[in-house]
Amino acid sequence: QKEVEQNSGPLSVPEGAIASLNCTYSDRVSQSFFWYRQYSGKSPELIMSIYSNGDKEDGRFTAQLNKASQYVSLLIRDSQPSDSATYLCAVSDNNAGNMLTFGGGTRLMVKP
Amino acid sequence: DVKVTQSSRYLVKRTGEKVFLECVQDMDHENMFWYRQDPGLGLRLIYFSYDVKMKEKGDIPEGYSVSREKKERFSLILESASTNQTSMYLCASSLLGTGWTEAFFGQGTRLTVV
Repeated sequence: QKEVEQNSGPLSVPEGAIASLNCTYSDRVSQSFFWYRQYSGKSPELIMSIYSNGDKEDGRFTAQLNKASQYVSLLIRDSQPSDSATYLCAVSDNNAGNMLTFGGGTRLMVKP
Repeated sequence: DVKVTQSSRYLVKRTGEKVFLECVQDMDHENMFWYRQDPGLGLRLIYFSYDVKMKEKGDIPEGYSVSREKKERFSLILESASTNQTSMYLCASSLLGTGWTEAFFGQGTRLTVV
């Protein structure tokens, strides 16, 4: 069974700092990797996707992928209190159905 | 905008009842999914479907069944609700493709079985 592991947190960072969220996965055939943000009581929303090794930047967010180490991370620069949420890592092996396997999520708290 | 709509935001059912959770998407997506989310366990896949009348078991299908008679609608059925099925249920949909495509989630149904 595929496993996706995240530290549950909470990860607490001061406003303006860099938040670093980490995720490891067990299935080497995983091809696609995603970060979802979930506010309390709301459904997950996609914030980043990454498919190849290296970094991918989108505004204040940077996703990093290292397939050899089976590791994916999300960096949030200039963290804001509105970034406080649970961040879910998800992986897919791109088989029929594009089934996503989710980690347990890391709760991020950004303190003013 | 893609819209995935779940029929109820909150439900309270009694043990042993048959429960239907409905999900409708309006973007002609082939794939539809049902997850449950519990504290500390993340999202776990119950069932998914990549075509009408097709269904595949996910990681935790026991106690659940699904129905997909039309492309836009995917129903989750709890044949005989039990207290351990108290959870947040999330429906999602995505396009079927050779690569991954974004999954869009409904607003969730918080089910309490008493």
